[in-house]
Amino acid sequence: DAMVIQNPRYQVTQFGKPVTLSCSQTLNHNVMYWYQQKSSQAPKLLFHYYDKDFNNEADTPDNFQSRRPNTSFCFLDIRSPGLGDAAMYLCATSGRWLNEQYFGPGTRLTVT
Amino acid sequence: GIQVEQSPPDLILQEGANSTLRCNFSDSVNNLQWFHQNPWGQLINLFYIPSGTKQNGRLSATTVATERYSLLYISSSQTTDSGVYFCAVATDSWGKLQFGAGTQVVVTP
Repeated sequence: DAMVIQNPRYQVTQFGKPVTLSCSQTLNHNVMYWYQQKSSQAPKLLFHYYDKDFNNEADTPDNFQSRRPNTSFCFLDIRSPGLGDAAMYLCATSGRWLNEQYFGPGTRLTVT
Repeated sequence: GIQVEQSPPDLILQEGANSTLRCNFSDSVNNLQWFHQNPWGQLINLFYIPSGTKQNGRLSATTVATERYSLLYISSSQTTDSGVYFCAVATDSWGKLQFGAGTQVVVTP
């Protein structure tokens, strides 16, 4: 089945230690999105790629970076995680016409 | 930016009951999706419904775009329907979703 995969599902990192979360998709979709969801809140968009074009949300902290080496993969890098970055990180994809989005299972990040 | 309001914020149902969740939005949208977030955090697509009516089993949804609201109907609720239901909309050319605060649904046996 075509799907969106996120690894790892759970990630524990130390305060200030860089961490990378990964997302892959078999849907061959042009667009990939990263959302952050803190406890008891709604998901909030961090950035997205349309093919190789990167689009950052205005209020996304500089501490968050992303890479998309090819259509199938996208990475979220947190350069110096703080306690406030503990959250669920959700990857989503959508096709060329930017309609329905499909979400992966998420990576729950804990910062100690 | 667009405002997305969901009501009610919390809903407790007895198994077998029917319910209606509402999503109001403050501007024209080109995408509207309903999601169910399960206890493990995954967002499950329920409907892609920028306008019109759709049904999928016990769930159905209606979006009246001209009046800027959408409704999600749950019939004959089951305990597996518990979780948070999110409405999300997009207004721009990039399909960026703005989520409502969600409705927490608890279905009791």
